Amino acid sequence: KAGVTQTPRYLIKTRGQQVTLSCSPISGHRSVSWYQQTPGQGLQFLFEYFSETQRNKGNFPGRFSGRQFSNSRSEMNVSTLELGDSALYLCASREENYEQYFGPGTRLTVT
Amino acid sequence: GEDVEQSLFLSVREGDSSVINCTYTDSSSTYLYWYKQEPGAGLQLLTYIFSNMDMKQDQRLTVLLNKKDKHLSLRIADTQTGDSAIYFCAEDGSARQLTFGSGTQLTVLP
Repeated sequence: KAGVTQTPRYLIKTRGQQVTLSCSPISGHRSVSWYQQTPGQGLQFLFEYFSETQRNKGNFPGRFSGRQFSNSRSEMNVSTLELGDSALYLCASREENYEQYFGPGTRLTVT
Repeated sequence: GEDVEQSLFLSVREGDSSVINCTYTDSSSTYLYWYKQEPGAGLQLLTYIFSNMDMKQDQRLTVLLNKKDKHLSLRIADTQTGDSAIYFCAEDGSARQLTFGSGTQLTVLP
């Protein structure tokens, strides 16, 4: 099976803009989670989607949102970008109650 | 709240064994994981252990779990230069999200 894929791999945006990141889970996996990785805060949970419904949300402002489509692909959106949003955004997928597999990440730089 | 702690750095000689330690707090965790991250890359799932197990061995990797002390360790036998990376411990707690440690930078010296 192909692994978790994320697009784009690299992105440069300007403060105030918005961005959409995409994640395609492993075939058959219906749970998709998003994490933010920064040098200062480490790896932090953003949200989890299962069968198109958000099941869990981390402690991030409302500028961070996501959705999941019927084919389990997921997108996350960040509006009104701030410099502090520069990070590696990681997507993970899993079958229900099984181990999580991560994608290569999207490196977002906000200038 | 949930917290996972790891030491930040570990250096070993090529061919020696490496042991990376981790402590966690959520006793309801179902899975405990070890992930590897190389520079510029995502997280590679190395191994995991069910919370009802004490030990798991997978080729050069051995995971030990002490539930009473909430202590997890990863032993890498015959460590190679290609094992140099950051290793993250993570727990899969009651909130259905992974809580990660800060990562241990493993440096393998020739």
